[in-house]
Amino acid sequence: EAQVTQNPRYLITVTGKKLTVTCSQNMNHEYMSWYRQDPGLGLRQIYYSMNVEVTDKGDVPEGYKVSRKEKRNFPLILESPSPNQTSLYFCASSPGLVGQETQYFGPGTRLLVL
Amino acid sequence: AQSVTQLGSHVSVSEGALVLLRCNYSSSVPPYLFWYVQYPNQGLQLLLKYTSAATLVKGINGFEAEFKKSETSFHLTKPSAHMSDAAEYFCAVTDTGANSKLTFGKGITLSVRP
Repeated sequence: EAQVTQNPRYLITVTGKKLTVTCSQNMNHEYMSWYRQDPGLGLRQIYYSMNVEVTDKGDVPEGYKVSRKEKRNFPLILESPSPNQTSLYFCASSPGLVGQETQYFGPGTRLLVL
Repeated sequence: AQSVTQLGSHVSVSEGALVLLRCNYSSSVPPYLFWYVQYPNQGLQLLLKYTSAATLVKGINGFEAEFKKSETSFHLTKPSAHMSDAAEYFCAVTDTGANSKLTFGKGITLSVRP
């Protein structure tokens, strides 16, 4: 089944404890992206990647890191999480690099930082 | 920069009534426009998209949207609401540039009354 998977789905952590949220897609997509969803703000892009080893900042990159060592994986790293990073996170992928391509979303990771 | 406006945060309709969810975009060139739906505790699922092929776009589950350049609008409609349509709906736009970033509206929660 073609899908985007994320792990973990739920995570509670404490301020400053490094964590990684994994994202993997099995559709051989070029483009991958991370968004965070907050009430009343919709979804905002954190980082994106147009290909292996090519990543760039989105609208809200502060406090996050990403890497794209393999085409299928795009982990999101929080080196020192803070409470304002409590949010719902979505990974997405699309076949190509143009805006008309449909983006496919993972099921989401709900993060609580105490 | 692209932006999307979804007025209001909540719409309530009776089962069988017309559903109308409004979306206006700001763009100096015709963008690509999307409607996504998010059911409780799930990721985002594409309802439909406009990519300049036709101004009236039909999507899944009986939804459709009409692109009106003169009004910079892309409103979502469904003739007859079903209880299963209760969800959060997001309008989104992408640039024609290199980053396929989706810029989302704040979302509208649709409730359907029996």
